[in-house]
Amino acid sequence: EAQVTQNPRYLITVTGKKLTVTCSQNMNHEYMSWYRQDPGLGLRQIYYSMNVEVTDKGDVPEGYKVSRKEKRNFPLILESPSPNQTSLYFCASSPRQGDWNQPQHFGDGTRLSIL
Amino acid sequence: GDSVTQMEGPVTLSEEAFLTINCTYTATGYPSLFWYVQYPGEGLQLLLKATKADDKGSNKGFEATYRKETTSFHLEKGSVQVSDSAVYFCALSLSSGSARQLTFGSGTQLTVLP
Repeated sequence: EAQVTQNPRYLITVTGKKLTVTCSQNMNHEYMSWYRQDPGLGLRQIYYSMNVEVTDKGDVPEGYKVSRKEKRNFPLILESPSPNQTSLYFCASSPRQGDWNQPQHFGDGTRLSIL
Repeated sequence: GDSVTQMEGPVTLSEEAFLTINCTYTATGYPSLFWYVQYPGEGLQLLLKATKADDKGSNKGFEATYRKETTSFHLEKGSVQVSDSAVYFCALSLSSGSARQLTFGSGTQLTVLP
């Protein structure tokens, strides 16, 4: 089954404690992306990757890091989380960066609470 | 910059009522337009899309027409069901070479009462 898998689904942690949210897709997609969803703001892009070893900032990259060492995986790293990063996070993928008509496939989301 | 504006929610309807969720956009190029739906506890799923002016996207009884003259892509359904309760997002994707594929609206929460 084609899917985007995120882990964990829920996490409560404390300020400053490094955490990683994993994302994996099994569709051989080139393009992957991270979004955060906040009430009234819709989804805002954090980082994206057009292919292995190619990543770039989205609209709200501050406080986040990503890596793309393998095509299927695109982890989101919070080196020193702060309470304003409490949010619902989604990973997404699509076949090719330039294929604008193709929809993105989304994971089920990770709800992070930073105390 | 590119942006998408959706009607504010929440929207509450009775079963079998007619639904319209307004969406307008601003874009520097010629975008493709999408509606995504998010059911409780799940990620976003593509509901329908339209890739050029006057195209109509349709799926599961929902429809939206790409109106270039009014820069709009309103979502409609003639008779909603309880199972349509979800958050609906309008989004655009540009073919201008930008690598940031999707710009989303803020979402509209729909609740359908039996």
